[in-house]
Amino acid sequence: AQSVTQLGSHVSVSEGALVLLRCNYSSSVPPYLFWYVQYPNQGLQLLLKYTTGATLVKGINGFEAEFKKSETSFHLTKPSAHMSDAAEYFCAVSGLLTGGGNKLTFGTGTQLKVEL
Amino acid sequence: EAGVAQSPRYKIIEKRQSVAFWCNPISGHATLYWYQQILGQGPKLLIQFQNNGVVDDSQLPKDRFSAERLKGVDSTLKIQPAKLEDSAVYLCASSADRGIGGELFFGEGSRLTVL
Repeated sequence: AQSVTQLGSHVSVSEGALVLLRCNYSSSVPPYLFWYVQYPNQGLQLLLKYTTGATLVKGINGFEAEFKKSETSFHLTKPSAHMSDAAEYFCAVSGLLTGGGNKLTFGTGTQLKVEL
Repeated sequence: EAGVAQSPRYKIIEKRQSVAFWCNPISGHATLYWYQQILGQGPKLLIQFQNNGVVDDSQLPKDRFSAERLKGVDSTLKIQPAKLEDSAVYLCASSADRGIGGELFFGEGSRLTVL
């Protein structure tokens, strides 16, 4: 079974400050890890993903995440927050379904607020 | 490229009534998913289709929920009868790649309120 824990359901930062959203995973097999962003009244959009290879993954809008196997973590960061980054962020882990195919298991989400 | 289309965007019904949601995936995407997102929680997979076949429906409450994808393109999710706890956003997603690294493309969702 796979699971994801996101620490902090709400995070507030000042514009221009560092953004750090935490995600820890549990997986019995090498995980594929994802960060999705959801803007109000919209669907989820992929920010970045880790499959294999380089552990530092760069995504859209200046976000990046680092896969740390020893810490079972995949934290999301951005050096300088912008007002447009205000949204809900979901970490997810991917695993195979019994019948094949891709099952994404999501965390409970972190609401990011950016203040002037 | 058109994204995943869902309708209706909003629906309010009373408990024990029925409701249906429609999804049209991105053209050419063979894999289609329905997720349930309850307020304050992450999306939970209800059912996955590969073309018109069901890959996984282990978390679908089959006594009240049903879903079909008859021609391997668009899909319908039905709830009958609805319960208060079914209030949620129902997200449809599609993917060109059924492998575990594949990206899912989500629609805007259908928000259901059960009174």
